[in-house]
Amino acid sequence: GENVEQHPSTLSVQEGDSAVIKCTYSDSASNYFPWYKQELGKRPQLIIDIRSNVGEKKDQRIAVTLNKTAKHFSLHITETQPEDSAVYFCAASTGGFKTIFGAGTRLFVKA
Amino acid sequence: DVKVTQSSRYLVKRTGEKVFLECVQDMDHENMFWYRQDPGLGLRLIYFSYDVKMKEKGDIPEGYSVSREKKERFSLILESASTNQTSMYLCASSGQGRRETQYFGPGTRLLVL
Repeated sequence: GENVEQHPSTLSVQEGDSAVIKCTYSDSASNYFPWYKQELGKRPQLIIDIRSNVGEKKDQRIAVTLNKTAKHFSLHITETQPEDSAVYFCAASTGGFKTIFGAGTRLFVKA
Repeated sequence: DVKVTQSSRYLVKRTGEKVFLECVQDMDHENMFWYRQDPGLGLRLIYFSYDVKMKEKGDIPEGYSVSREKKERFSLILESASTNQTSMYLCASSGQGRRETQYFGPGTRLLVL
C-alpha cells in the first residue's frame, strides 16, 4: 500500500544551525504534501504545505522542497531556536480524504 | 480559529470494557478522522467520515467502530478494549474547500490494563 518514509527519526542540532528532514512517498498520484509540528503534550499543527505544481515554498525560517521525479520532499528550518524543538510529521495526500503520515522526526535544538 | 475538542485527555480502562472516545468540531467541517499515534509509527488512520452517518475504514479499523450521528460529532468505539489498544488517539477534521488540511484535537491518551 501507499506509504511515506521519513528520516531521520531523531535530530539534534545546535541553536542557530539548520535542520533538514526528508521524506519519500510511494504513491505517484500524491499531489499535496503538508508538514505538521507537534510540541510536547500538544496537538499536531500544520506549519507549511506544498502542492505538486510547485517545487519550493518558503515561510520565514521554514521551507519545503519537492522533487516529484524522485518522489522526495524535505523540510528545511534555518536559524533554529529552542522553540523549534518538537516532533515533525510529513504527509502525502492524493487530494482525497486519506492522508498518509510519516513516522515523525523528533527535533532537539540545544541552546 | 478551528476548534476540535476531545472528551478526555487521559483515560484508564480495563480489558474487555467498552470504551467511547468523543470528538467535537465547531467549524462545520464535513470530514472527520480518527488516528492512533504510537512511537515510531506516526499517525495511522483508523476510520474517517465524510458526511453524517457515513463512515469509511482506514488502515487499521480492526477492533474499532465509529458513529457520526451529527455533523459536529464523531465517536470512536472500542467494543472490547485490549491492552494493544493502549495508545494516543487523535481526532481531526477538515472542510470541503481544503479537505486535505486537517485540524487536530488535543488527543486522548488511553491506557488499557
